[in-house]
Amino acid sequence: GENVEQHPSTLSVQEGDSAVIKCTYSDSASNYFPWYKQELGKRPQLIIDIRSNVGEKKDQRIAVTLNKTAKHFSLHITETQPEDSAVYFCAASLTTDSWGKLQFGAGTQVVVTP
Amino acid sequence: DSGVTQTPKHLITATGQRVTLRCSPRSGDLSVYWYQQSLDQGLQFLIQYYNGEERAKGNILERFSAQQFPDLHSELNLSSLELGDSALYFCASSVLGTTDTQYFGPGTRLTVL
Repeated sequence: GENVEQHPSTLSVQEGDSAVIKCTYSDSASNYFPWYKQELGKRPQLIIDIRSNVGEKKDQRIAVTLNKTAKHFSLHITETQPEDSAVYFCAASLTTDSWGKLQFGAGTQVVVTP
Repeated sequence: DSGVTQTPKHLITATGQRVTLRCSPRSGDLSVYWYQQSLDQGLQFLIQYYNGEERAKGNILERFSAQQFPDLHSELNLSSLELGDSALYFCASSVLGTTDTQYFGPGTRLTVL
């Protein structure tokens, strides 16, 4: 089955700096890669996603890149702000139709210090 | 607010007991997913239902079962509870299947004493 590894487990950055979180997946057939942000005690919320036919996607300060050959994808947050502090989860979906599970990484605790 | 609702918010019970968690998906969403989030683990997929039928299964214990009703709300039943079942249980919904955006509910925090 699909296995997703996420690094680092914690990340401390100064406000205004960039943050990068990397994930690797095991199944080359995986085709959908969402990223979720979870604040303490809250629900996970989708912040960006990418599909296997796209190499990069950007939404304001957030971008995701996908390298299918190397089987890894990364989340980039630029100009970090204190409100970016949260746990970020990557996920990968192996599905040839609409039925299948999202395999989540273990999460990255991001702390943005003013 | 994602539009997904879950009840109850908190549940405290004893080992050996049985509980039912309830989830109402966003209006128009046909798929419901259940996830377990323990302190030392990430989000673990339990099960997916689509329009009343089970479609995908994760590492769901035999003591756990779920169903989706004709009005599309879903219930997760946990029986013979153990201390290790203490966790946050999230429900998510999507329009169709797994590669549609999944919107998470606020979760039910289960504490087994």
